[in-house]
Formats: sequence, C-alpha cells, structure tokens
Amino acid sequence: ETGVTQTPRHLVMGMTNKKSLKCEQHLGHNAMYWYKQSAKKPLELMFVYNFKEQTENNSVPSRFSPECPNSSHLFLHLHTLQPEDSALYLCASSQEWRRYTGELFFGEGSRLTVL
Amino acid sequence: KQEVTQIPAALSVPEGENLVLNCSFTDSAIYNLQWFRQDPGKGLTSLLLIQSSQREQTSGRLNASLDKSSGRSTLYIAASQPGDSATYLCAVWTQGGSEKLVFGKGTKLTVNP
Repeated sequence: ETGVTQTPRHLVMGMTNKKSLKCEQHLGHNAMYWYKQSAKKPLELMFVYNFKEQTENNSVPSRFSPECPNSSHLFLHLHTLQPEDSALYLCASSQEWRRYTGELFFGEGSRLTVL
Repeated sequence: KQEVTQIPAALSVPEGENLVLNCSFTDSAIYNLQWFRQDPGKGLTSLLLIQSSQREQTSGRLNASLDKSSGRSTLYIAASQPGDSATYLCAVWTQGGSEKLVFGKGTKLTVNP
C-alpha cells in the first residue's frame, strides 16, 4: 500500500442516499484532512483531524459528517446531499497539524456525483 | 484574508521549451509554500516545498523560487516533456488567524510533442 488511499474512486448517489468516503494513510502521519475541489475553484479545506481530534471545521454543512477512529483512517459520511456538492473530494495527511515545515500528501480523490 | 493567484491559467508550449509558472500571494506572513502537480481526475502530487526562510528548491528539472517580501513564487521547468502536461498548483501555509493551506486555482500546462 502506498501513501494515501481513498475509496471509492467514483460515487454516484441520489439526494436521499447515505454513503461514506474512506481514506487511509500508510505514512505514519498524525494529521488528516478533507478537501473539496470543484470545477474552476481553488481547493477548499473542509476538516482537519490531529491525533484523532477534530481541530478545524471550515463552516461545512452538517450533511457532511467526518469521523476519525484513529490516526490512519478518516471517513466522510454523506447524507441528503445537493447537486452542488458534486466535486472531487481529496484526503490528505501530514506529520502533524500546525507543524508547518511538513509536506502535505494527497490521495487520488473520490469523484462524487449527486443526482 | 490570504489570496493566491496563478498566472497564466493555461499554457501550451512545444516540447523541449523551458518555461516558468507564476504564483503570487497577498499576505507575506507565510510558513512555507508548496508546489503540486495534478493529473486529470487524480489527486495532488507534491513537487517542491520551500520554507519561508529559503529562496529556492530544486528537484531534477524543476526549480522553485520564493520571494516572500514581494509575495511571489515561480516554478521553472527545464526542457519540458509531454509527460509534464498537468495542472500545477501552488499553496501557502498562512500565519495568524485561521492558519491553513491556501491554494491557487492552478495553471494547466500542455506540452506538445
């Protein structure tokens, strides 16, 4: 297993569905992140977990619910999404949140389409 | 509020050409700047990380410079190849307030054979 792994790579869901995105990192890092990438917009930080504790919630709607059971795994639970939530969701990790000298490593992303 | 701008938004060059991608940021109070590469539909791959105290970093054909006082960074790609075709993003770790990594929208590079 390499780096940061995200599953599924593609997901299509209706507005009433409940689904989850999964992220796993094999780098021994302590901080994990969810980013949203929409067309023609910069990457938007959604959530940050540092040593399993949520340290940042960037005003994300409650229909997105993160979960971090341990430092290696991060989930994003999705329910009653809107079509405008369709985007590429990227997971990333770094050695530690606010350890600014560290690099950020990204997964391949989960392409979400909400019908 | 930190804003990161990348110019141009798209660039098309013939193979073998040397090229420069630009990144500017409005708040010079940064910890570091990171350049990424993103292939279509894929995640981001880290290319170079420059600490705020550094002026440049090099990796193979890539050279990134940082002028923190003027809020600018450049990514120089030497002897470009078709495999360099991708979107290049820069991001800065911003100090103060809500410290976070702020991204530009990227420059889409196409290297033609």
